[in-house]
Amino acid sequence: GAGVSQSPSNKVTEKGKDVELRCDPISGHTALYWYRQSLGQGLEFLIYFQGNSAPDKSGLPSDRFSAERTGGSVSTLTIQRTQQEDSAVYLCASSSSLAGLTGELFFGEGSRLTVL
Amino acid sequence: GQSLEQPSEVTAVEGAIVQINCTYQTSGFYGLSWYQQHDGGAPTFLSYNALDGLEETGRFSSFLSRSDSYGYLLLQELQMKDSASYFCAANSGGGADGLTFGKGTHLIIQP
Repeated sequence: GAGVSQSPSNKVTEKGKDVELRCDPISGHTALYWYRQSLGQGLEFLIYFQGNSAPDKSGLPSDRFSAERTGGSVSTLTIQRTQQEDSAVYLCASSSSLAGLTGELFFGEGSRLTVL
Repeated sequence: GQSLEQPSEVTAVEGAIVQINCTYQTSGFYGLSWYQQHDGGAPTFLSYNALDGLEETGRFSSFLSRSDSYGYLLLQELQMKDSASYFCAANSGGGADGLTFGKGTHLIIQP
């Protein structure tokens, strides 16, 4: 696709349920990032992939959060046993290998998660 | 750790000029980016400064001073559509090879 695609755009779930959020990056982009944005707040870094490997998992807030990337393309962020504090917009971004030189990430529209 | 400070809100008048400041503290630093985000939308890239000085892109300009750990975004000839949140982000070149974002500045444009 032309841009970063995320699904679902909106997800309402009950506390304790598991959720999966999907990100389809721009074709050819080797790096993929997940961020979390709470209402009116900045972007909190969660995890970064270079290809299929995740050299930096330091941002994952707890062991209930995990992510994987297959085929150097689509990524899935999984939140197990969701809690109300997990409610936020989860943003995915991708970049070419030159992002370190240009500082440019391409973001999707996000998945808005609401935990009741 | 990494931290960036920017004002939470700025108000300006249509047609005027506004400057949004950003100071940063990072363990490593390669450059400063600026992003715009409209309500409910995706952040979109505006500019990047790797070197000291001013970068101009149309009505938007961005400035960086490495010695002062400071940068700013300058918006000229403000239009109502410029009402949005603006984030500075530091490229620390760390393990994430990604960006650490500030909390954002909500720009309100008045007619």
